Amino acid sequence: QSALTQPASVSGSPGQSITISCTGTSSDIGSYNLVSWYQQHPGKSPKFIIYEGSKRPSGVSNHFSGSKSGNTASLTISGLQAEDEADYYCCSYAGRRHWLFGGGTKLTVL
Amino acid sequence: EVQLLESGGGLVQPGGSLKLSCAASGFTFSINAMGWVRQAPGKGLEWVSGISDSGTITFYADSVKGRFTISRDNSRNTLYLEMSSLRADDTAVYYCAKEWKDISGTTVGFDYWGQGTLVTVSS
Repeated sequence: QSALTQPASVSGSPGQSITISCTGTSSDIGSYNLVSWYQQHPGKSPKFIIYEGSKRPSGVSNHFSGSKSGNTASLTISGLQAEDEADYYCCSYAGRRHWLFGGGTKLTVL
Repeated sequence: EVQLLESGGGLVQPGGSLKLSCAASGFTFSINAMGWVRQAPGKGLEWVSGISDSGTITFYADSVKGRFTISRDNSRNTLYLEMSSLRADDTAVYYCAKEWKDISGTTVGFDYWGQGTLVTVSS
């Protein structure tokens, strides 16, 4: 199974909104409503920010939101802040208790 | 406070073996499924292996199947990853992660991660 496809980088100015796409197949994203997203700052461990495509764990800011359509999931960050600058990874259940991650997207806040 | 503390990483020669440990605290370890996720230097995340709460059911990525063994000791609140026949492309930071389940009992993601331990496979 190949990794999910994400853009290598995205950028935006403070206060703007950006969207990161995550493309899979009918065997992973398209088959299960089990897409999660993770934020990773340099040198740090990943942080869980979205699950089941659009739900936020307790304590995660509501300027993170997620959606899914067909084989593609998306993460939107609204009202960009400097501290949002990080790498973002999508993850999908792929059956047989296997999980697939995306290649990661580097978000730059200009 | 949930804490996951990995240890056991280091430099190993190709073909060698290494055993990683992950000490868990701050939650009831014995009722939570766990997993290992790795990240090669400058690269993305890759799911490696998962284990049920009881330890009786295990899962592996195709890239490590037959070479890695995941296990746990619920009496010691510790997760393990035994790695053998190591290759250069196994070089990565290895994270242990706690699986998070929704109210139906379905794993929906990994809600807590350790700080990682670096495994370097090189001669």
